[in-house]
Amino acid sequence: EAGVTQSPTHLIKTRGQQATLRCSPISGHTSVYWYQQALGLGLQFLLWYDEGEERNRGNFPPRFSGRQFPNYSSELNVNALELEDSALYLCASSLGTGLGTYNEQFFGPGTRLTVL
Amino acid sequence: KQEVTQIPAALSVPEGENLVLNCSFTDSAIYNLQWFRQDPGKGLTSLLLIQSSQREQTSGRLNASLDKSSGRSTLYIAASQPGDSATYLCAVRGGGFKTIFGAGTRLFVKA
Repeated sequence: EAGVTQSPTHLIKTRGQQATLRCSPISGHTSVYWYQQALGLGLQFLLWYDEGEERNRGNFPPRFSGRQFPNYSSELNVNALELEDSALYLCASSLGTGLGTYNEQFFGPGTRLTVL
Repeated sequence: KQEVTQIPAALSVPEGENLVLNCSFTDSAIYNLQWFRQDPGKGLTSLLLIQSSQREQTSGRLNASLDKSSGRSTLYIAASQPGDSATYLCAVRGGGFKTIFGAGTRLFVKA
């Protein structure tokens, strides 16, 4: 069974540009989560999508946005890139919360975004 | 606001030693707690998930316990091996279903 996949593996952008990161969840999972892991800051929760809806977001500015498609894959968009957006962006998926509290998260390999 | 702390920040042990990693959290109203390992520059590998109603979970040489009332979890690794060298993260899922991670414990097992 395929795990969570993310693309691209690496992304290099310049300040002010937009970045689009993609994530495909494990088959059968309806929840997708995005996290940012910046150097020295640890893993920070960004966004949570479930059944196509945004359920919660972390303490990030509105230029971080995303969506979830009908096939449950997801896209994270970062507008007006700043140098401090350079980080490893991790996507995770799980069964939906409607199925109870058993919602173990499984992570993809991440997209390394570098902003120059 | 939930805060998750992991102690120690780093640990170096000889191969074969049993060890304990600690995770504490400030708000006991949690849904579950999950332990992960992360190899340098890579994604996270799920090790164990403990639901709020459970006290412990075991997988192979790993055993994780949860004491919600005291806001603590421990990850016990038996007979450590060099392949166990990684950063170990605990993550707590609580209010709003947000997941809050600790900063991790960097483990180095010497052959």
